Amino acid sequence: EDKVVQSPLSLVVHEGDTVTLNCSYEVTNFRSLLWYKQEKKAPTFLFMLTSSGIEKKSGRLSSILDKKELFSILNITATQTGDSAVYLCAVVIQGAQKLVFGQGTRLTINP
Amino acid sequence: DTAVSQTPKYLVTQMGNDKSIKCEQNLGHDTMYWYKQDSKKFLKIMFSYNNKELIINETVPNRFSPKSPDKAHLNLHINSLELGDSAVYFCASSQDLNNQPQHFGDGTRLSIL
Repeated sequence: EDKVVQSPLSLVVHEGDTVTLNCSYEVTNFRSLLWYKQEKKAPTFLFMLTSSGIEKKSGRLSSILDKKELFSILNITATQTGDSAVYLCAVVIQGAQKLVFGQGTRLTINP
Repeated sequence: DTAVSQTPKYLVTQMGNDKSIKCEQNLGHDTMYWYKQDSKKFLKIMFSYNNKELIINETVPNRFSPKSPDKAHLNLHINSLELGDSAVYFCASSQDLNNQPQHFGDGTRLSIL
């Protein structure tokens, strides 16, 4: 069964800290991995990763994929209270054309 | 301007009733999806449609029936609602089956009394 596991499930840090969120996967036929941020409503897209070792960056957020070890990390530097959200990792299964989501990491940034 | 819109945002109803949730996307995408998100925030795919054709049905009870009148709309009808159906239901769309990412609507919070 295709599985995506995120860790930690919950993380509380102070504003200005740097955090690293983890996503590991065991799937039959990997196509790509996506990161989403979910605040109160719709998950919003952050990154899509298809190739190993190529860092994607957007402001203070960055992400990288390791297809050999089957994981990805999402880094957030100089965190702000607006970064508080649930961060979701999902894997696209080739052929099945569906996303399999992890259970999410709830990140809380305290001022 | 909303790319993927769902209605209603909230739905409170009694066990045994039948209800529908509507979804529309104005992105010109070919593929649309329904997800269920439980209280632990776990998102699970229910259905996907590509150009009005059902592609994925993830062992969802047949009380749930999606309908796609055209590729911009994917509605979800639920018969004989049960307590376990309480969740947030998200609609999403993507350019086509092989092109991600998916864009999500704001969700419909369904509460069964």
